[in-house]
Amino acid sequence: AQTVTQSQPEMSVQEAETVTLSCTYDTSESNYYLFWYKQPPSRQMILVIRQEAYKQQNATENRFSVNFQKAAKSFSLKISDSQLGDTAMYFCAFISDSGAGSYQLTFGKGTKLSVIP
Amino acid sequence: EAQVTQNPRYLITVTGKKLTVTCSQNMNHEYMSWYRQDPGLGLRQIYYSMNVEVTDKGDVPEGYKVSRKEKRNFPLILESPSPNQTSLYFCASSLTRGRGFYNEQFFGPGTRLTVL
Repeated sequence: AQTVTQSQPEMSVQEAETVTLSCTYDTSESNYYLFWYKQPPSRQMILVIRQEAYKQQNATENRFSVNFQKAAKSFSLKISDSQLGDTAMYFCAFISDSGAGSYQLTFGKGTKLSVIP
Repeated sequence: EAQVTQNPRYLITVTGKKLTVTCSQNMNHEYMSWYRQDPGLGLRQIYYSMNVEVTDKGDVPEGYKVSRKEKRNFPLILESPSPNQTSLYFCASSLTRGRGFYNEQFFGPGTRLTVL
């Protein structure tokens, strides 16, 4: 079974600064997808960014980018120019597409990010 | 508006009283799933469904049932709820055709369940 580990339960960053949230995963599959979801105080789950494992180029969405290291099984999220609205819980998630019959989306335990004015 | 709806949003019940949380999506998605969120544990998948009449267990299926009789609906059933099922529940859906599991999962607003 795959596992997703977020080693930073809580982090804080000054407004306008850059912060990196870490995520590692464990899998024996070769074809999979990785996601970062954001959960603000409203509890709504919002997709931030996603990455296909077979693509070496790191995904970027505006101020959000990832550092995907397939060999190290690492998928960190970098938030540039942090804004107050980035305050939220962030979840890393993994799903494989191996065709082996299991299509579970596995989440990490989350990192609570606070952006300080 | 494309969305996933869940009902009820809040529910307080007592141990052993059967309940159903409904989930419906209007995006013609094949994949639907249920998660529970508990402090310090993140989201854990309960059940998922690849399509009508196809369901499979996630990481924490004990004490839950699901059915997928129609493509748009995926109800979560607690036959005999217990206090350890007190949690925040999310339903989600996504396409599996096209870009497969790269497709975004759309989440419902959540259901806060308390079992006394």
